[in-house]
This record gives sequence, C-alpha cells and structure tokens, in this order.
Amino acid sequence: QKEVEQNSGPLSVPEGAIASLNCTYSDRGSQSFFWYRQYSGKSPELIMSIYSNGDKEDGRFTAQLNKASQYVSLLIRDSQPSDSATYLCAVKPDRGSTLGRLYFGRGTQLTVWP
Amino acid sequence: IAGITQAPTSQILAAGRRMTLRCTQDMRHNAMYWYRQDLGLGLRLIHYSNTAGTTGKGEVPDGYSVSRANTDDFPLTLASAVPSQTSVYFCASSDGSLGEQFFGPGTRLTVL
Repeated sequence: QKEVEQNSGPLSVPEGAIASLNCTYSDRGSQSFFWYRQYSGKSPELIMSIYSNGDKEDGRFTAQLNKASQYVSLLIRDSQPSDSATYLCAVKPDRGSTLGRLYFGRGTQLTVWP
Repeated sequence: IAGITQAPTSQILAAGRRMTLRCTQDMRHNAMYWYRQDLGLGLRLIHYSNTAGTTGKGEVPDGYSVSRANTDDFPLTLASAVPSQTSVYFCASSDGSLGEQFFGPGTRLTVL
C-alpha cells in the first residue's frame, strides 16, 4: 500500500505570513513528488515538482524534500488571500507497472485571511 | 483545443442508465487517467492507460470501463449507473517521463 498522508487542516494564516504544508509518504523508493493546488469547484493544478533532496524555489513557493525522512513540504511565503485553496501532495513510486501513476494525499485546506 | 477537455461539464442521470464521460487531450501524452473525487476521500484512480491500445484498473474500477483507441481520447463508461457513482470525475494525462500529470476541468455527475 503506497500511502501519502497530509494534515487535512484547515490551516489558517494571515496575509503576508508563511504557510507550511506537510506531506509524508510510505514508499521509500519514490522518486518524484508534486504539489497541486485546487480551488473550490476546479480541477487540480500542478504548481511544484521536486525530484531530489533539498529545496526548490519558484517565486513565493518552496518545495522541500527529505527522502531519508520520507517527507515533502510546501512553503508559501507572503501568503495572499488568492492562495486560499486545497493543496494536494502527490508521489510517483519508482517501482510498479503503472507508468506515471501518482498517489495523492487527501489534501490540506489553506485559508489566508486579510 | 488546448490541454485536456472533458464533456459534459455536469450531468444528472437516472440510476440504471448508461453514461459515457468524454476526455480528449491534444498534448500527445502517452498516458491517461480517470479519477473520481469525493469529499473526504480525495482523488481515487479508476482506470488508466499507459499508451493507446492498453488499459489497466486503478483503485476503484468496479462499475466503470474504459477504452483507448487512439492517443487523444480516453472515454469512461458507466454501464448501469448507481447513486454511489455520484462524484466529480477528472481525466488527466502525462507524458510519463517525470510523472507530472495535467488535469481536465472535470465532470460533475449526479446519479439519482
């Protein structure tokens, strides 16, 4: 069973603060990790991909990966009300017959209040 | 067409009826996927296709079938709809190399 766990939240932060979203996964052989943002009533949108240990920054977003701890996080700096959404963590296992299959967490709901 | 399209956007269906949800992508991605998303349960994989002509079962395949006659299209069929199939259905595609998946806008299906 390849599990991906996220805190369901809701996580509430004030505008301008740093929002920290966390995700753990069970398959130690996993190699690719993704964060999706999903606004209410919309489809998931890919916002970050990370493949190696360490940090990856893209604008206000930073993904952090620690394979030894089987942990991936997403930091959102200078949070804006427009960041209010559900954030899905997804993991691609290294092994298995399903090319490109992702395992998703249930998502963390983030609210940024003005 | 840009990306992935799904049709219909929403549908109300009587139990026992047959329904096909359509999905088309123009990115020439080899792999395509169907998910359902239910409150509290997250995204669950129904069926997938690694390449045209092949399909496989995901976590919740019962009551659903798929076909992949060509690269662009991946329809999902409910042979005899039941109320538990009320959900939001998302189609996704991937070129498979890095695992990034891109989602269509979804179909909201209600089975009464």
